[in-house]
Parts: sequence; C-alpha cells; structure tokens
Amino acid sequence: DAKTTQPNSMESNEEEPVHLPCNHSTISGTDYIHWYRQLPSQGPEYVIHGLTSNVNNRMASLAIAEDRKSSTLILHRATLRDAAVYYCILSGLFYGGSQGNLIFGKGTKLSVKP
Amino acid sequence: EPEVTQTPSHQVTQMGQEVILRCVPISNHLYFYWYRQILGQKVEFLVSFYNNEISEKSEIFDDQFSVERPDGSNFTLKIRSTKLEDSAMYFCASSYGTTRSPLHFGNGTRLTVT
Repeated sequence: DAKTTQPNSMESNEEEPVHLPCNHSTISGTDYIHWYRQLPSQGPEYVIHGLTSNVNNRMASLAIAEDRKSSTLILHRATLRDAAVYYCILSGLFYGGSQGNLIFGKGTKLSVKP
Repeated sequence: EPEVTQTPSHQVTQMGQEVILRCVPISNHLYFYWYRQILGQKVEFLVSFYNNEISEKSEIFDDQFSVERPDGSNFTLKIRSTKLEDSAMYFCASSYGTTRSPLHFGNGTRLTVT
C-alpha cells in the first residue's frame, strides 16, 4: 500500500496561513493525492485532491512537488473551524471497481489559536 | 449541499444481538462504502458496494457483516452477532463513481456493544 508521512500535530494562529506537509516518497505514477479532514465528532470531510498540478478550491490549495514525492495542503487563512485532523491519502486508479478503499493514517492534528 | 445521512446517531446493543445501521447516500451517487473508527484509532475501510454487489472488502468485513441496498435510497450495514470489539463509530460514504470522485461521508453511527 502506498504510504504517507505527516507530522502528528501542528499549531496555527487564527487568520494566518497554514502549510500542512505530507511525504509520499513511494507514490506511483497513477496515484492521486487526496486530503480529507475530520472535525471533532464528525465524519471525514473531503478537502482537495490532485495528481500532478497544483490545485485550488474554495477550501484550500494543494501544492504538489515536481517529483510528486511530497505535497502541501495550504489553508490560506485559518479559522477556529479549521481545527481538525488532516489526512493525506494516496489513491490509485481503479478500472471497473471501487476507488473508495482509502487508507487513513493518523493524520496531522491542527490546532488553531484565537 | 446534498449530504449523506446516517441513522441512528447512537445505537446500544447487547453482545450477540443483530444490529442494522442505516445510511441514505447522496442521490446521484453510484458507489457506497462503510468505514469504521474505533475510539482513538484510525478510520478503517470495511466495504465498497457498486451495482448491487460488493466491489471490495477488507479483512475486517467477515461473515458477520453484510451490506444491502434494499431500495433506491437506503444503504445498510448489518452486523449479525455483535461482539464487544465491534463498538466503534461507523461511517457511511458515497461517491459519484469516477476514479477521481471524492467520498462524501456521513457523521456516523456510534455503536456501543455491552
């Protein structure tokens, strides 16, 4: 299984940008990089995903290294509501079947200080 | 925004009893999943379901578990004879179905086996 490495925890101040790193040195050419987050007492929530190019959406940006062995989730202005566990997950391409077997690690617990 | 809904939010049962956890996926989604999270541990994949059959299942999903889509809207997880170690949060998820589709998770059912 493709594996990712993330710091156990990070802290941020409210209204400041947050850069959450993820290493995935064994990534294969067809693996997508997904980010999910889990707020306290809730189910995981999709944040963003990408393959090779950097991606932006209303929640965050994903910066992918040129060699694809690492990526960074960027929250442009952290809010208290962004306090959650953030998971970086690799997902391979499936044909004719499910792509939903996501392997969650321990993730990075992000704390946001007011 | 459409969401995945799960009922009940909390289920208490006695060891050896059967339980059914219910989920209503997002209406135009084609793939359905169950995950679980034992307290303080990682989110774990159980099973994926597509076109009225299981696409993939993990080692956790043994003969005591079954899934069903009894009608056009519900997706259920049945645990035939519950054990103490089945106590966990159970998350239902759905996706549109392409290999790049994000999973949308419900907020879970907390199952407590006594």
